[in-house]
Amino acid sequence: DADVTQTPRNRITKTGKRIMLECSQTKGHDRMYWYRQDPGLGLRLIYYSFDVKDINKGEISDGYSVSRQAQAKFSLSLESAIPNQTALYFCATSDWGGGSYNEQFFGPGTRLTVL
Amino acid sequence: QQQVKQSPQSLIVQKGGISIINCAYENTAFDYFPWYQQFPGKGPALLIAIRPDVSEKKEGRFTISFNKSAKQFSLHIMDSQPGDSATYFCAASRTGGYNKLIFGAGTRLAVHP
Repeated sequence: DADVTQTPRNRITKTGKRIMLECSQTKGHDRMYWYRQDPGLGLRLIYYSFDVKDINKGEISDGYSVSRQAQAKFSLSLESAIPNQTALYFCATSDWGGGSYNEQFFGPGTRLTVL
Repeated sequence: QQQVKQSPQSLIVQKGGISIINCAYENTAFDYFPWYQQFPGKGPALLIAIRPDVSEKKEGRFTISFNKSAKQFSLHIMDSQPGDSATYFCAASRTGGYNKLIFGAGTRLAVHP
């Protein structure tokens, strides 16, 4: 079974609709991240969380919100979707490194299209 | 503001050739430089990483070269194979704190038989 799962894998929605992307992990990691990937722009951090009480904005958080329901679950919401939020979205997790960097493990991604 | 600049955007290499992807960073506080590999339909996965206390790290056919004074690092893929065809992302991070990764724009590599 995959360690980091994302649902749905594909979603087409209309402008103005609310949509939620979900991420679950079985790795037991405390840290979770949401990224979006756009051609020519790489991956950009939307939000990140170190535990259920810790939520932080990334470089492109406008238009998005998140919820950390449990250590293993981190959801990304688009309150009112717009076409320029069409992108590939990735969830990632990492362990606490005790001050040193730890590898991030990515889910398979959600392809979101906003019409 | 792009803190990690990656080039080229795309690269075509013949089987057996050397693939070279370059990255440059701006923030001198970065002290961890990973490369991630992404196959179509999959999430990125860590390929190899380096810290600035060494100038080179090799794992099999993959080598990172690091130039601290120039604030540049590169990925070399020796004896490139069609199975290496993927998108490669360089990244940079500061250890400690939140370990946020700053990614480059990515390089799409195609290795032709």
